[in-house]
Amino acid sequence: KNQVEQSPQSLIILEGKNCTLQCNYTVSPFSNLRWYKQDTGRGPVSLTIMTFSENTKSNGRYTATLDADTKQSSLHITASQLSDSASYICVPTEGGQNFVFGPGTRLSVLP
Amino acid sequence: DAGVIQSPRHEVTEMGQEVTLRCKPISGHDYLFWYRQTMMRGLELLIYFNNNVPIDDSGMPEDRFSAKMPNASFSNLKIQPSEPRDSAVYFCASSLAGAGRTPEAFFGQGTRLTVV
Repeated sequence: KNQVEQSPQSLIILEGKNCTLQCNYTVSPFSNLRWYKQDTGRGPVSLTIMTFSENTKSNGRYTATLDADTKQSSLHITASQLSDSASYICVPTEGGQNFVFGPGTRLSVLP
Repeated sequence: DAGVIQSPRHEVTEMGQEVTLRCKPISGHDYLFWYRQTMMRGLELLIYFNNNVPIDDSGMPEDRFSAKMPNASFSNLKIQPSEPRDSAVYFCASSLAGAGRTPEAFFGQGTRLTVV
């Protein structure tokens, strides 16, 4: 069965600090992987997407990495801001439209 | 486009009542998904449609749940009869497939359902 594990489950950091969130998945066949950000009370919104041939992609202060061989991905947030407080969900895609959502990491950025 | 629109935003109902959640996908999108989110289980796929046809409903918890998509611009999810364990946030999402496209699910704001 396709599975996604994320760590840590939750994280608290101070504003301005960096952090890295981890994702391990067993989706097969693997098509691509997205990281979603979900603010409290809102639906998830895509941050980055990587196909199996890409190993890093940046979107502003967010940098995602992907190792399709070890089935691992990470999301690095640089110079965190209060508005980064949210859940970050790793979503590998199996085939065409089968999005497999991870449990998410809850990030809290404190002033 | 206003994005995926869900209604109502909040629903409080008594156990045993019928609940109907509504979704308007992004115009032109050919896939529509219904998800349920709880603290314990995260986001769970309930059912998804392609061109208004249900493709996979294996995530629908039991016969009390049903979903329809009568046309490309509307879908509803019904729970009858509702139970307290159905309390969750229900999300609708839509996406567009096609050659060369990398699919992305665009989510609505969700409906927070509370069954008392």
